Amino acid sequence: NAGVMQNPRHLVRRRGQEARLRCSPMKGHSHVYWYRQLPEEGLKFMVYLQKENIIDESGMPKERFSAEFPKEGPSILRIQQVVRGDSAAYFCASSPKGLAGTGEQYFGPGTRLTVT
Amino acid sequence: AQTVTQSQPEMSVQEAETVTLSCTYDTSESNYYLFWYKQPPSRQMILVIRQEAYKQQNATENRFSVNFQKAAKSFSLKISDSQLGDTAMYFCAFMKVPGSQGNLIFGKGTKLSVKP
Repeated sequence: NAGVMQNPRHLVRRRGQEARLRCSPMKGHSHVYWYRQLPEEGLKFMVYLQKENIIDESGMPKERFSAEFPKEGPSILRIQQVVRGDSAAYFCASSPKGLAGTGEQYFGPGTRLTVT
Repeated sequence: AQTVTQSQPEMSVQEAETVTLSCTYDTSESNYYLFWYKQPPSRQMILVIRQEAYKQQNATENRFSVNFQKAAKSFSLKISDSQLGDTAMYFCAFMKVPGSQGNLIFGKGTKLSVKP
C-alpha cells in the first residue's frame, strides 16, 4: 500500500511565478490536510479538504493561496505570484475518516519550495 | 486557542541510554489527542506515538513511552535504549477530538542527537 505521495519534491520558482504542489493521499483515504514548515519551525496547518469540499481553510493566507481536492486526481495547493517569504517545506497528510476518525494523519515526504 | 510548547530546542544522549523530551500544552478542551512525530534528516514526518486524553494509561510503543499528566497539561516522551537512528527532530502535537476540527497543532520541535 503506497503511502502519501507528493510531487515535485523540490520546486524552484522566480518571484511572481505560480507554484503548484500535488498530493495523492493513501489508498482509501478521502481526507487531506496541507501544512507549511518554515525553517527551524514546526508545521503550521493551512487547509483541510475532503473530495470536492474545503472543510477548514482557517490557516490559509487570504490572498494568492488556494487548494482543491477534485473528485478525480490529486489534491493541489496553488500559490500565485510567489514571494520569497513563501519559501518553505509544504507537507500533505491524509486520513481515512477525518473528523470521525482516530486523529492519525499520515504524512507525505513534503515539497520544498524555493523562491528566487 | 490551543498552544503547544517544547522548551528544549536541542538535546543529546549517548547510544543505549534513556532520554526524555518535554512538551506542555494549553487548552480548555476536556477531550483531545496528543501525538509525538519524528522528522529525521529525510524530512519525512513519522508518527511515533499517540495518546487519547480520556485514557489514564500512558501509551507505549516498543522503546517509546509517554508520561501524560492531564492536570498539569504535560506530555513528555521517553526513549529507552536510544539508537543512532533515533537522531531526528521530534514534534509534539495536539488535536481536538475529531468532530470539530481535524488539524494538528505542533510545537516548534526538539532536535535530538544520539551519540555513539
